[in-house]
Amino acid sequence: NAGVTQTPKFQVLKTGQSMTLQCAQDMNHEYMSWYRQDPGMGLRLIHYSVGAGITDQGEVPNGYNVSRSTTEDFPLRLLSAAPSQTSVYFCASSYLDRPTDTQYFGPGTRLTVL
Amino acid sequence: KQEVTQIPAALSVPEGENLVLNCSFTDSAIYNLQWFRQDPGKGLTSLLLIQSSQREQTSGRLNASLDKSSGRSTLYIAASQPGDSATYLCAVNTGGFKTIFGAGTRLFVKA
Repeated sequence: NAGVTQTPKFQVLKTGQSMTLQCAQDMNHEYMSWYRQDPGMGLRLIHYSVGAGITDQGEVPNGYNVSRSTTEDFPLRLLSAAPSQTSVYFCASSYLDRPTDTQYFGPGTRLTVL
Repeated sequence: KQEVTQIPAALSVPEGENLVLNCSFTDSAIYNLQWFRQDPGKGLTSLLLIQSSQREQTSGRLNASLDKSSGRSTLYIAASQPGDSATYLCAVNTGGFKTIFGAGTRLFVKA
């Protein structure tokens, strides 16, 4: 049971480049989400999904796209990277109907946009 | 709009000391509240989750309390150890599939 995995661990992009951050979970969780963490700030929700084919925006969705074709995978796409997107990105997953269960987090992807 | 604040931002204590970390939130209509631990360069690990109807939860040397009416939660760490050094994050689930995080308290326990 690998839990939540994220790739890559580190990435450097130039302004305007696009890329996809990968996230996968093997716990059969319905709910998956992407957060970004910036210095001095809490984690902020970018996008989330409550099941395959269903996604919605979080607090800071601009510049990011997501899709959920399977229960296991929830990739985050940066369409045209900007320096303001330099951050650490975390993917998380959880069950939908178990209120005593927590979210499980991946190890994060540290992204730098030059 | 729900806002979550953690005070202090950083804390340094000698080993063995009992300590309290504070979390406040602006809207008492919450689904649950969680405390997480984050080690440098790592993801988040859940420590305690308190349901809206509960007042506290305990796990080993950790005790978390919740007072919805005042919009406050505390995380009590007994007999602190150097291995407790980490950033502690408070997160409020407001329902609607959204969780709001505080900025965290960075704890350093000196041996």
